[in-house]
Amino acid sequence: QSALTQPPSASGSPGQSVTISCTGTSSDVGGYNYVSWYQQYPGKAPKLIIFEVSKRPSGVPDRFSGSKSGNTASLIVSGLQAEDEAEYYCSSYAGSNNFVFGTGTKVTVL
Amino acid sequence: EVQLVESGGGLVQPGGSLRLSCATSGFTFSDPYMDWVRQAPGKGLEWVGRIKNKAGSYTANYAASVKGRFTISRDDSKNSLYLQMNSLKNEDTAVYYCARDAHTAMDYWGQGTLVTVSS
Repeated sequence: QSALTQPPSASGSPGQSVTISCTGTSSDVGGYNYVSWYQQYPGKAPKLIIFEVSKRPSGVPDRFSGSKSGNTASLIVSGLQAEDEAEYYCSSYAGSNNFVFGTGTKVTVL
Repeated sequence: EVQLVESGGGLVQPGGSLRLSCATSGFTFSDPYMDWVRQAPGKGLEWVGRIKNKAGSYTANYAASVKGRFTISRDDSKNSLYLQMNSLKNEDTAVYYCARDAHTAMDYWGQGTLVTVSS
């Protein structure tokens, strides 16, 4: 199972929006509405911020949203804040009780 | 409050074995599936495997990179998850996280434990 493809980096100024793509195949992203997104600060554990493509866990700001089209999912961070500077990973169910993660995207707030 | 605390990491020689533990609290451990995820130094996340609950016959599934070498188990009476790692390779060096599996995503994570495979 190959890792999902994400851009290595993305950036935006405070208040702007940034979109991170996550490209897989019809066997993972395209085949299931089970894409999730995780935020990770350096030296810390990942935190779930989006599940099932577009659902937010309790406590996650609505500045974070998700979508999917075909084999590509996207995370949109609106109204960018300094605290949003982190690494972001997508993940997808890949069938047969397997999961696959994305390559990760470093978001920089300019 | 949901808590997951990994332990058991350390330095091991190639070909050696190590057993990681994940102690949990704050939820009914016997209910959810549980996962292990690892992260090599400076690299991305890699799913290691998942174990189902009793209703799922405690079935475990593994990533191809660890299948046949790693074994996931759980003790519901001790609210604990385990990862037995055998035939360790240099490329298994990573921080290992346990995570609660909400079937479609991993909703709570431990802080991780570092495993270093080196001679």
